Amino acid sequence: DTGVSQDPRHKITKRGQNVTFRCDPISEHNRLYWYRQTLGQGPEFLTYFQNEAQLEKSRLLSDRFSAERPKGSFSTLEIQRTEQGDSAMYLCASTSAPARQETQYFGPGTRLLVL
Amino acid sequence: QKEVEQDPGPLSVPEGAIVSLNCTYSNSAFQYFMWYRQYSRKGPELLMYTYSSGNKEDGRFTAQVDKSSKYISLFIRDSQPSDSATYLCATGFNTDKLIFGTGTRLQVFP
Repeated sequence: DTGVSQDPRHKITKRGQNVTFRCDPISEHNRLYWYRQTLGQGPEFLTYFQNEAQLEKSRLLSDRFSAERPKGSFSTLEIQRTEQGDSAMYLCASTSAPARQETQYFGPGTRLLVL
Repeated sequence: QKEVEQDPGPLSVPEGAIVSLNCTYSNSAFQYFMWYRQYSRKGPELLMYTYSSGNKEDGRFTAQVDKSSKYISLFIRDSQPSDSATYLCATGFNTDKLIFGTGTRLQVFP
């Protein structure tokens, strides 16, 4: 499978616990994006990387959230001290840049439930 | 005011109908326009991509952008039950940091 993959697909945790999600982009893609999607809403941008450099972070990304892409390949998104409001689908997408005609290809998402 | 507005539906149509899905956006500087389809509990899948104004056709799907009225449309001809999904419009200054609508849930019944 050459698409974007995410792991785990589902995560249930208790409030206050830390969680970490992984995203493996399409192999030749140098840009990687994280989004959050809550029920009945469209995805909301969180952050993106070009290779290993984190180029932009949304104001939605509080200091409890951290994302890394250490070798410019896979990425991790960690949420510390989870809150019930963090319950959402976390989506990863990738693309190759700069290429004006390219757009983002999404993974299946990680669904987080904070109890 | 949200940057992208989209009627959440649900929109229910019979098989074979022509479906019209629409979004409006607020920033006239947006240049890139996409439509994604999202099945339940799956990630969004890119359907159509357009740059600037005009029409783009791909099989049963036609995307239309009217920058003068800041209006984005997706038309689905000969709709099928397999088209039942949520359709998300997205736009932005570039292809990074996409701004999505809330999505319109479409149900095509046999």
